[in-house]
Amino acid sequence: DVQMTQSPSSLSASVGDSVTITCRASQSISRYLNWYQQKPGKAPKLLIYAASSLQSGVPSRFSGSGSGTDFTLTISSLQPEDFATYYCQQSYSSPNTFGQGTKLEI
Amino acid sequence: QVTLKESGPVLVKPTETLTLTCTVSGFSLSNVRMGVSWIRQPPGKALECLAQIFSNDEKSYSTSLNSRLSISKDTSKSQVVLTMTNMDPVDTGTYYCARFTILSYGLDVWGQGTTVTVSS
Repeated sequence: DVQMTQSPSSLSASVGDSVTITCRASQSISRYLNWYQQKPGKAPKLLIYAASSLQSGVPSRFSGSGSGTDFTLTISSLQPEDFATYYCQQSYSSPNTFGQGTKLEI
Repeated sequence: QVTLKESGPVLVKPTETLTLTCTVSGFSLSNVRMGVSWIRQPPGKALECLAQIFSNDEKSYSTSLNSRLSISKDTSKSQVVLTMTNMDPVDTGTYYCARFTILSYGLDVWGQGTTVTVSS
C-alpha cells in the first residue's frame, strides 16, 4: 500500500495567517492527491483534488501543489472557520490511503 | 441533490459480524464514472479507507482488513453493503460511505456517518 505522511501533525496559527501543510507519499502517485477538511463531529469535505484543482464551492484561499511524492496544501488569510483537521489522500492505487491528519488550531 | 446515508447497528458484540448499508440518491450505482467507498474513523484518530466498489462491480479492500471485509451493491435498491466479520473493540468508531468519482478521483460527497461500538 502507498503510505501517506503528513507534517506537521498539529499547527497553531492566527486569523489572517498563511499556513502550509505537507504530504509525502511512499512512492510516486503522479497527481492523484486529494485534500479534505474535517470539523469535529462532521464528515470530511473534499477541498482539493488532483493535487491542485479546487473543488466547487471551496474558497480560493485554499490551494494545492505538487506531484510525484511531495505535495502541499496552503491556506492563505486564515478565517475562523478554517480551524479544523486536514487530511491528504492518494487515489493513485487501491486501496486509497489517507495521511494521519494535521490539526490546525487557533 | 446527491446524498448518501449509512445505516446499521449502533452496538455489536466482539466476534460478531457487522453489516452496514449505504443508501444513495441523486446518482446511479450503474454510472460508470462513479463508485462508493467505505471509510472508518476510530475516536480521535485518522481516516481509513476500508473498501470500494465501482459500477462494473470491481472491488478493492484495505490490505490489512481484506480477510474480514466484503462489499457488494444492489443497483436497483441504490444500496451498497459492507460486512466486516469478527468484530473487535478496536473496530469501534464512525463509519462513513462516500461517493468516488473519476471526474476528480476524489470522494466528493459523504454520508453523515454512523457510529459503531464494539462491546460485550
